[in-house]
Amino acid sequence: QVHLVQSGAEVKMPGASVKVSCKASGYTFTSFAIHWVRQAPGQRLEWMAWINADTGHTIYSQKFQGRVTFTRDTSASTAYMELSSLRFEDTAVYYCAREGLYGSGSFYTYWGQGTLVTVSS
Amino acid sequence: QSALTQPRSVSGSPGQSVTISCTGTSSDVGHYNYVSWYQQYPGRAPKLMIYDVSERPSGVPDRFSGSKSGNTASLTISGLQAEDEADYYCCSYAGNYTWMFGGGTKLTVL
Repeated sequence: QVHLVQSGAEVKMPGASVKVSCKASGYTFTSFAIHWVRQAPGQRLEWMAWINADTGHTIYSQKFQGRVTFTRDTSASTAYMELSSLRFEDTAVYYCAREGLYGSGSFYTYWGQGTLVTVSS
Repeated sequence: QSALTQPRSVSGSPGQSVTISCTGTSSDVGHYNYVSWYQQYPGRAPKLMIYDVSERPSGVPDRFSGSKSGNTASLTISGLQAEDEADYYCCSYAGNYTWMFGGGTKLTVL
């Protein structure tokens, strides 16, 4: 059974950095891309990035280029999102999601439980 | 990247049908048959309801259906039930390994 388990909630000061992990199980990690999606409180879902879990190649949404880094550790079947120079408006739930197995694969069948990052002074 | 356009809210009575639209451009919704729909309850992760415009994953009731015409995709929920009350998001592939979500629609079952 496929599971994506994310790290716990974080509270950070403005200007700090945060690293969120997403541990995959139940499938071959390198066979499916991982996406990251953000949802600010009461707001819509925002697509952040696509990462090829095999090669590590990443495509970023233009909005998130610059302060965010996406990596993965294939030996640990884990993907990471690191956001630096945190601002109040970065307060959000961050989700990882796995691309689909069938059809185009261009959708998210499996989601992590979400990690709430709160930026507060 | 701006969001796909969805109505902020729709409503219907139990047993009725509702349709939620998702309007993009000829570069995303209109160009690719890679539109998916997600249901989200408060405080929960989204759940896939429709993929590739009109395909329904195993376990999703056949009351949920999807379609597309030009730059607009639609999610139709027939035979509304109280448990369908949730937020719904569309998502489209936009080329070059980028995706975009809609603004979300709150469905209220009256």
